[in-house]
Amino acid sequence: DIQMTQSPSTLSASVGDSVTITCRASQSISSWLAWYQQKPGKAPKLLIYKASSLQSGVPSRFSGGGSGTEFTLTISSLQPDDFATYYCQQYNSRWTFGQGTKVEIK
Amino acid sequence: VQLVESGGGLVQPGGSLRLSCAASGFTFSSYDMSWVRQAPGKGLEWVSYISEGGSTIYYADFVKGRFTISRDNAKNSLYLQMNSLRAEDTAVYYCVRDRTYYDSSGIRGDYWGQGTLVTVSS
Repeated sequence: DIQMTQSPSTLSASVGDSVTITCRASQSISSWLAWYQQKPGKAPKLLIYKASSLQSGVPSRFSGGGSGTEFTLTISSLQPDDFATYYCQQYNSRWTFGQGTKVEIK
Repeated sequence: VQLVESGGGLVQPGGSLRLSCAASGFTFSSYDMSWVRQAPGKGLEWVSYISEGGSTIYYADFVKGRFTISRDNAKNSLYLQMNSLRAEDTAVYYCVRDRTYYDSSGIRGDYWGQGTLVTVSS
């Protein structure tokens, strides 16, 4: 099974900051990686697919990068609506999610 | 696109539940579908996958032999039959639109239902 490791688990930042979340796969997953945003009591929302493709309707301040085993999600200029938990997900073989990164207000 | 889960509730350990997911707003029969769960305060966990026609099915190891995924394309519905339930199966269960072979973009998991809560407790 492919394991996904996200870091950090928690990230404290201010409105306007640029933040980066990292996700590592236990083996190569090519570019079969997605990023989701989840707010309390809500279903996850797809932000990025195929490592770097922005889902329709998602603000351009969200960007994804990487391939193979190392991936990043960058949020440039954090907005109040961005404080949430973020998950990476591999879909190269079945689905596996990272443990999540909570982005909180500093 | 809408995915609406139902069938969750309180069940005793060892009991059974059948979850349903009613799909609308897209050609259900052209999409693979998945179930994902989230225990209270925990992360996301993939449960099961079914191909568009139902011929290919996968399960996470922790539900193999206990859960059965199925679909009825005529009714635009996805199901998850859960037997021999355990306390650790307590979670919100989400129905998720997976891929279609008519879209080569590589997108998967673009629509999720609101989830249905399953509580396993005596």
